[in-house]
Amino acid sequence: EPEVTQTPSHQVTQMGQEVILRCVPISNHLYFYWYRQILGQKVEFLVSFYNNEISEKSEIFDDQFSVERPDGSNFTLKIRSTKLEDSAMYFCASSTITIDIQYFGAGTRLSVL
Amino acid sequence: AQSVTQPDIHITVSEGASLELRCNYSYGATPYLFWYVQSPGQGLQLLLKYFSGDTLVQGIKGFEAEFKRSQSSFNLRKPSVHWSDAAEYFCAVGPRAAGNKLTFGGGTRVLVKP
Repeated sequence: EPEVTQTPSHQVTQMGQEVILRCVPISNHLYFYWYRQILGQKVEFLVSFYNNEISEKSEIFDDQFSVERPDGSNFTLKIRSTKLEDSAMYFCASSTITIDIQYFGAGTRLSVL
Repeated sequence: AQSVTQPDIHITVSEGASLELRCNYSYGATPYLFWYVQSPGQGLQLLLKYFSGDTLVQGIKGFEAEFKRSQSSFNLRKPSVHWSDAAEYFCAVGPRAAGNKLTFGGGTRVLVKP
């Protein structure tokens, strides 16, 4: 069964450093998403991406965040200068353009020290 | 603004007993409705979805959910719980169009006693 793959599974970084979280969506999917879950809180939407453009973003997704599809298979989330409050589990998801079922990866746990 | 409430943070159930997880939502129109499950160390796995039609929907692993428009609810049920059902369960809503954000509830953690 096709699945969304995220790497790394755990990323530890120092405050102020840049991090890139990587995702390989399901191959025939064209919508891509990032969500995050701070420990003990709800899963929150960050951004959706389609046709090489951001479709929708939340108020959390400020100038410190960016997304990119650098090639035909990867989808990345970059945090330019990490803050302590960016520590969370980050989930990537993908869907087709016809059916809004979002398939999620296993997540990357980001720890900012 | 849309919101999803899962009133029960933790539920403990004996193996073989029935399980019901509650989900209430607030949305401007009838949304798409989903239940996801997250086992330890795993991602969010789709259990079932409601788009339209029959308000009782069947999912994987023996789960079902019932959409009640009048109560703005989408409760998840399983007649007989297995130890492997211990996990966190998330209800989510989304607009009736692809490519839009899902809004999640806070989750219900299910513990299964032998």
